[in-house]
Amino acid sequence: EAGVAQSPRYKIIEKRQSVAFWCNPISGHATLYWYQQILGQGPKLLIQFQNNGVVDDSQLPKDRFSAERLKGVDSTLKIQPAKLEDSAVYLCASSLDQDSNYGYTFGSGTRLTVV
Amino acid sequence: GEDVEQSLFLSVREGDSSVINCTYTDSSSTYLYWYKQEPGAGLQLLTYIFSNMDMKQDQRLTVLLNKKDKHLSLRIADTQTGDSAIYFCAEGDLNTGFQKLVFGTGTRLLVSP
Repeated sequence: EAGVAQSPRYKIIEKRQSVAFWCNPISGHATLYWYQQILGQGPKLLIQFQNNGVVDDSQLPKDRFSAERLKGVDSTLKIQPAKLEDSAVYLCASSLDQDSNYGYTFGSGTRLTVV
Repeated sequence: GEDVEQSLFLSVREGDSSVINCTYTDSSSTYLYWYKQEPGAGLQLLTYIFSNMDMKQDQRLTVLLNKKDKHLSLRIADTQTGDSAIYFCAEGDLNTGFQKLVFGTGTRLLVSP
């Protein structure tokens, strides 16, 4: 089974610029998650999708972050405009469904540096 | 809210056992997980334990759960240099009605030859 694909692997942008990340989950996985991992910290959930609907975006800074999952498959996460504190690794994960108790499968992440 | 705490760093010699500890706060968690993260990689699920269990063994890995103290540990027997990585403990939070993982800060394990 192919894993969770993310692109790009690395991105360097200047503050106030925009950036977008892409995620392709494992085929058949209904639930998709975006996590933010700041250096030296554990991942923090930004948003959770069930198919193409949002089930939890309580920790997403909605003034600058947006995410969508059209057609319930691929997802994009956008930051506009970026701030220095957005420098982090953005991890996408997927699971079979929202009640899956067997953990998630994570992608390798996109490392964002804002200068 | 949920809070998961871990010690930051552990150093052991190859062949020794490693014990990584974690405390959590959410008593409603049904599952607790251990993930491994190698440099530049995503998180890899190592093992998990259901909250009504107190121990689970999987090859070199042993998970112990003390639900009363909300304490979770991961023991790696015969630790190898390839085990050097960051280990995250996570609790499954069902308070929202949906499975959500809350991660600790991670413990960096360094295995020296």
